[in-house]
Amino acid sequence: GENVEQHPSTLSVQEGDSAVIKCTYSDSASNYFPWYKQELGKGPQLIIDIRSNVGEKKDQRIAVTLNKTAKHFSLHITETQPEDSAVYFCAAPPGNGQNFVFGPGTRLSVLP
Amino acid sequence: EAQVTQNPRYLITVTGKKLTVTCSQNMNHEYMSWYRQDPGLGLRQIYYSMNVEVTDKGDVPEGYKVSRKEKRNFPLILESPSPNQTSLYFCASSLRGGGTEAFFGQGTRLTVV
Repeated sequence: GENVEQHPSTLSVQEGDSAVIKCTYSDSASNYFPWYKQELGKGPQLIIDIRSNVGEKKDQRIAVTLNKTAKHFSLHITETQPEDSAVYFCAAPPGNGQNFVFGPGTRLSVLP
Repeated sequence: EAQVTQNPRYLITVTGKKLTVTCSQNMNHEYMSWYRQDPGLGLRQIYYSMNVEVTDKGDVPEGYKVSRKEKRNFPLILESPSPNQTSLYFCASSLRGGGTEAFFGQGTRLTVV
């Protein structure tokens, strides 16, 4: 089955710096790669996603890049702000697309 | 407003007393799922359902039951709760499984004493 790894598990950056979180997956048939943000006391919420026919997608300060050959995708946050502090999860469905497989999460702290 | 609603938000119960956590979605989604979240262990899937009357085990199904009699509801049942089921629980739904966006409920914090 699909195995999703995520690194680093914790990340601290200074406000204004960039943050990068990387996920690797095992099922080469996976074709949808979302990132979720979980703020304290809330459920995870989708912030950006990418499909396998696209190499990069941007939405203001966040971007996701995909390398299908190497089976990894990354979340990039530029000009970080304190409100970016949260736990971030990547996910990659197995090739049949039936279920979700989440990475273990990355706790991002943006220091003022 | 499109949403996934879980109830209750907080629950303290005693070992062995059956309980049900309800989950309802108003988006006509086919897929629903339950997760538990424990410190350092991420989101672990308990059960999921691809449609009405179709359910399957996730990674940690022991001690839990689910049912999907209607498309909008996916209750989680703990027949005989134990302290190791103390956790934060999330329900999620998506239009059609892992290839579409997942919408999460606000979570249920369960304590079993």
